[in-house]
Parts: sequence; structure tokens; C-alpha cells
Amino acid sequence: AQSVTQLGSHVSVSEGALVLLRCNYSSSVPPYLFWYVQYPNQGLQLLLKYTSAATLVKGINGFEAEFKKSETSFHLTKPSAHMSDAAEYFCAVSESYSGGGADGLTFGKGTHLIIQP
Amino acid sequence: GAVVSQHPSRVICKSGTSVKIECRSLDFQATTMFWYRQFPKQSLMLMATSNEGSKATYEQGVEKDKFLINHASLTLSTLTVTSAHPEDSSFYICSARDEGYSYNEQFFGPGTRLTVL
Repeated sequence: AQSVTQLGSHVSVSEGALVLLRCNYSSSVPPYLFWYVQYPNQGLQLLLKYTSAATLVKGINGFEAEFKKSETSFHLTKPSAHMSDAAEYFCAVSESYSGGGADGLTFGKGTHLIIQP
Repeated sequence: GAVVSQHPSRVICKSGTSVKIECRSLDFQATTMFWYRQFPKQSLMLMATSNEGSKATYEQGVEKDKFLINHASLTLSTLTVTSAHPEDSSFYICSARDEGYSYNEQFFGPGTRLTVL
């Protein structure tokens, strides 16, 4: 069975500092991996996804993530934090594939990113 | 971009009543939609996979008679919480899979907050 572990329920960084949100996964087959962002009382917005192409994936808003199979990790980074990055971030995995696309996602518990002025 | 809507955004009901939540893909067709449940400050849990024209597939532990799913068209899936009780209070989020995209990108609705009194 697939699973996702996000280390750190809360991460606090200063504005302009590096953002690093950790995600480790467990999957019995090559996975599809995703990072989503959720602002208060809103749905999820896709930041980026890994789908077995390039291991370094660039997403929206300056975020990127690197798939490391040997470490079963998919950490999310951003070189310089902005106040608007404050939100909840979810890592998700899908390993089953049917009908032309991957199936329902398994989410990590989420990391609340706090940006200090 | 692909847009998914949910209606209503908030609903408050009395214990014992049934509540229907709609999920619509506005600018694409979705043969597959997913229903998730999110408890306060927690992650999303996949409840069921909704397949157009066929029965939904429920995750283990989800009562199919409690959470009725109907996917009657390529743009609409509904979740009906039957005989709702306070423990059913939660944030319900749907997503729709755009078959035209590679690698299964799911587009999420803004969510429906259900409060059962």
C-alpha cells in the first residue's frame, strides 16, 4: 500500500529565506507524486507533479521538487519565501493507474508553512 | 484552465436529514471524479471514486449506504450524506480527472463545509 510522510506539521521561515518542506513516500510501484497548496477555506491547487520524466520538477510560484528514488523522497523547495506562500502544503502519491490516468490520491498529513516578516 | 465547482459551499443541517453536494467540471468532461473528506487541521482522505455511468468504488471503511454517490453525466457527480449526524460534519472536497491531460491531473473543487447540528 502507498503512503506519504510529511516531516514537520509546522515549518516557520523568514521572508526571503529558503523554504524546504519534506516528503517521503512508500510505494510498491513507480509512483506519481504531487505537491498541492491549500489556502484557508479553499480547495487544493496543484503546485507541481512528478510523473517519471525529469527528476527535478519545476512548478508554479517558484517552487520545485526533486524526486530521489534512493531516498524515497520528494522534498519541496523555494529559494526565497514570500509572505503569500503562507498556507498548508500537501504531498500526495498515486501508484495505481487505470482508464488513462492515476487513481485516487493518498495524501500526507500536511505541513503548515509560516512566513515570518 | 480546468475548473471544478462545488455546491453548496456551506451547509448546516439538522441531525437525521440528508444533504446533497454537487461537483461539476465546468470546462471539461470527467469520466472519473473523486470524493475526499478533510477533518479540521487534518489531511484529505479518499472516500470513493465516482465513475460516470457505473457504480462508485468506495474505500475501505466508508459506508456506501451512508454516502451515496451518483455520476450521471460527464460533468456532474453528487454526494448525498444520508441521515446525517454530527460526526459527519466535515469538509468534503471533490476532484475531477481530466482525461485529456497526461498523467492524471486531478482538479479540485473548492470544497463544501458540512455542519450537522
